[in-house]
Amino acid sequence: AQSVTQPDIHITVSEGASLELRCNYSYGATPYLFWYVQSPGQGLQLLLKYFSGDTLVQGIKGFEAEFKRSQSSFNLRKPSVHWSDAAEYFCAVGALGGGSNYKLTFGKGTLLTVNP
Amino acid sequence: GAGVSQSPSNKVTEKGKDVELRCDPISGHTALYWYRQSLGQGLEFLIYFQGNSAPDKSGLPSDRFSAERTGGSVSTLTIQRTQQEDSAVYLCASRPVQGTEAFFGQGTRLTVV
Repeated sequence: AQSVTQPDIHITVSEGASLELRCNYSYGATPYLFWYVQSPGQGLQLLLKYFSGDTLVQGIKGFEAEFKRSQSSFNLRKPSVHWSDAAEYFCAVGALGGGSNYKLTFGKGTLLTVNP
Repeated sequence: GAGVSQSPSNKVTEKGKDVELRCDPISGHTALYWYRQSLGQGLEFLIYFQGNSAPDKSGLPSDRFSAERTGGSVSTLTIQRTQQEDSAVYLCASRPVQGTEAFFGQGTRLTVV
């Protein structure tokens, strides 16, 4: 069964600083990988996704993520954080299970605080 | 509407009462998921519907939880004899049959008092 680990529960950065949120997954084959963002009181919004091909994927709001098979990682990055990026970020793995079952497994999330 | 719709947005109930949470997926999406989000626990998978296949109920925490999906569209998550530990945000997501990305609703915040 697949699993996702987000090692950092809470990260604080200053506005304008660079950001990297870590995500490690466990799955026997190449999974589908996602990063979602949840702003306070809001639902989850997809930032970006990786299926195949170029291992560096670009998303919305200036975010990017890099798939590294050798490290089983899919870290999210942004070169310069804005105060509006303060939110909770979830990494997710999608993988085929038995039959038509396509399971989406989420990490526990990383809460990002942005200081002015 | 264009997105996944959940109702109610907030629900306060007394311990021991039954509650029903509703999810209207995006039209044409054959896959539907329910997740529970508790503080600091991320998204806990509850149940998954895919077309006419038998649902994957492996995430339901107890037999007090059940869900159904009528006509391959609207889904209802029912919690019987609610307990305080059931307090959480319940999120619904849908996905098109050939897609891999799930689209989420705003969630229902359930508070059991």
